[in-house]
Amino acid sequence: AQSVTQLDSQVPVFEEAPVELRCNYSSSVSVYLFWYVQYPNQGLQLLLKYLSGSTLVKGINGFEAEFNKSQTSFHLRKPSVHISDTAEYFCAVNWRDQGAQKLVFGQGTRLTINP
Amino acid sequence: DAGVIQSPRHEVTEMGQEVTLRCKPISGHNSLFWYRQTMMRGLELLIYFNNNVPIDDSGMPEDRFSAKMPNASFSTLKIQPSEPRDSAVYFCASSLRTSGPYEQYFGPGTRLTVT
Repeated sequence: AQSVTQLDSQVPVFEEAPVELRCNYSSSVSVYLFWYVQYPNQGLQLLLKYLSGSTLVKGINGFEAEFNKSQTSFHLRKPSVHISDTAEYFCAVNWRDQGAQKLVFGQGTRLTINP
Repeated sequence: DAGVIQSPRHEVTEMGQEVTLRCKPISGHNSLFWYRQTMMRGLELLIYFNNNVPIDDSGMPEDRFSAKMPNASFSTLKIQPSEPRDSAVYFCASSLRTSGPYEQYFGPGTRLTVT
């Protein structure tokens, strides 16, 4: 079965430090890739998505992610984090051979920003 | 501009009782998704609809769960009878299905506790 793995369940960082949240998926069959953010007691909100073209995609709130087909990875990065970035982050994958709507989510990474 | 609306936000019920969760998608969206989020299993797709028609219900855990979408602006997820292991946050999401991958917009969720 196709799967999405977020390698870190929790990532603590200091404010203004850089951060990388890792995401790997199981198959190199054509994919669409997404990162969502969930703030406490809220639903998920789209941060960014990779559909095609440039492998480096930029999203909201200064986040970016890089698609690496050979490594089947889609890691999320931010060069300088802020307290307000404290949230849970989910990587999601749509395998094109399963139709354009089904998303499989990773287990999530809880990002904690310390002052 | 109203987002996806879910009600109730919190539900506490006793084992064996019927539970009905409600969702109003974003106006104009024609796809609707029900997800369940737990610590153990993460975010799981239960069922999704296109144009009010159920397309894939393979994620529905068992016959105790049922979902309906009588019109484009309303959907329900029913659990009858409820069990403690159904305790979770249930999210509804909607999207505009045109072509390619579709961004899903999530509601705030319903936190269900079955005692």
